[in-house]
Amino acid sequence: QKEVEQNSGPLSVPEGAIASLNCTYSDRGSQSFFWYRQYSGKSPELIMFIYSNGDKEDGRFTAQLNKASQYVSLLIRDSQPSDSATYLCAVNPNFNKFYFGSGTKLNVKP
Amino acid sequence: DAGVTQSPTHLIKTRGQQVTLRCSPKSGHDTVSWYQQALGQGPQFIFQYYEEEERQRGNFPDRFSGHQFPNYSSELNVNALLLGDSALYLCASSSPGGETQYFGPGTRLLVL
Repeated sequence: QKEVEQNSGPLSVPEGAIASLNCTYSDRGSQSFFWYRQYSGKSPELIMFIYSNGDKEDGRFTAQLNKASQYVSLLIRDSQPSDSATYLCAVNPNFNKFYFGSGTKLNVKP
Repeated sequence: DAGVTQSPTHLIKTRGQQVTLRCSPKSGHDTVSWYQQALGQGPQFIFQYYEEEERQRGNFPDRFSGHQFPNYSSELNVNALLLGDSALYLCASSSPGGETQYFGPGTRLLVL
């Protein structure tokens, strides 16, 4: 079992719609959760992080965490073509090591 | 405020050779982690350096080694290169006591 699982996609949504990206993790003791965006040929760029159960909003992005279900999600409201990228979920089961999922490719169609 | 920098940007080597990749962390950061990202995959943790010591290591063979210097910059060395070592190598830094990691632009290594 992989430490972090993501649907590889691609996930296609029309411009202006809500994109929902999901991630599950295996280590129940994980405390920190991160979402990164990676454009093709570029390095990962931090979008946001979440530590507590519930929702955390930052602009058009909302991260949702459910530790009981070991589930993290990222919602992107009013999706734009510039949001088209691969979204990586990362989990920090201890202070010094990150586990990344394989990423979900998002296509936002104009 | 300079972000994480890496050099070189691209590198071509042949099997059996050795390679050294370099990373300078973001200003104010003291911890450096290295990742390998194969095409279509997420980054895989290689190791992390803090206070010039390897603090944590992922599932990579001893051919992968590293070093951190007093100015917090770091090197990743890979010996006896294999074709499967072809990947994007990413360096990430974090601040003292911080968990959030910020990535450099990466070094793309091709082994022929």
